[in-house]
Amino acid sequence: AQKITQTQPGMFVQEKEAVTLDCTYDTSDPSYGLFWYKQPSSGEMIFLIYQGSYDQQNATEGRYSLNFQKARKSANLVISASQLGDSAMYFCAMAGSGYSTLTFGKGTMLLVSP
Amino acid sequence: GAGVSQSPSNKVTEKGKDVELRCDPISGHTALYWYRQSLGQGLEFLIYFQGNSAPDKSGLPSDRFSAERTGGSVSTLTIQRTQQEDSAVYLCASSQDRNTGELFFGEGSRLTVL
Repeated sequence: AQKITQTQPGMFVQEKEAVTLDCTYDTSDPSYGLFWYKQPSSGEMIFLIYQGSYDQQNATEGRYSLNFQKARKSANLVISASQLGDSAMYFCAMAGSGYSTLTFGKGTMLLVSP
Repeated sequence: GAGVSQSPSNKVTEKGKDVELRCDPISGHTALYWYRQSLGQGLEFLIYFQGNSAPDKSGLPSDRFSAERTGGSVSTLTIQRTQQEDSAVYLCASSQDRNTGELFFGEGSRLTVL
């Protein structure tokens, strides 16, 4: 069984600052993938970044980077230079071997203030 | 269209009625997923299709829920004898193949059972 834990129900950050959203996971699969999705108020889920369990380097996509610490089973999302449009729910998710399903955490609401 | 299309976007029904929710995935995507998101919660996996077959139905909450996919494309999620606890946003996602893990989501169908 896979489990994703996001311990921060809400986070506040000022525009242009960096913010870290926490995610820890648990799985018995030797190979897995970790994902972050953004859900703005419109409701659509937007893929942000992916990290494979065997990837040697932390994933980066523009202002998003994933701080992957395999031994700690954590996959925190770092957003640099926050923008007002970053205000949204952020979900961490995991796919095990076969990638047949994604297991999602409960999400973190990020609010960016001017 | 270019993205995953879901209909209806909003559905209000009376307890005990049947509802059908439709998902039109991105053309060429072989994998299709249904998730349910209750208010303020994360995403709950319902069912996964690879082509027209559903190798993983483990998330369907009860036998009132069923889903099918025809022609490797459009999928319909049917809820029979709806209950108030079925009220949620039902999200459909597709991916090019099950091994990428990157899911493209539709905007969801919001179901309200009175």
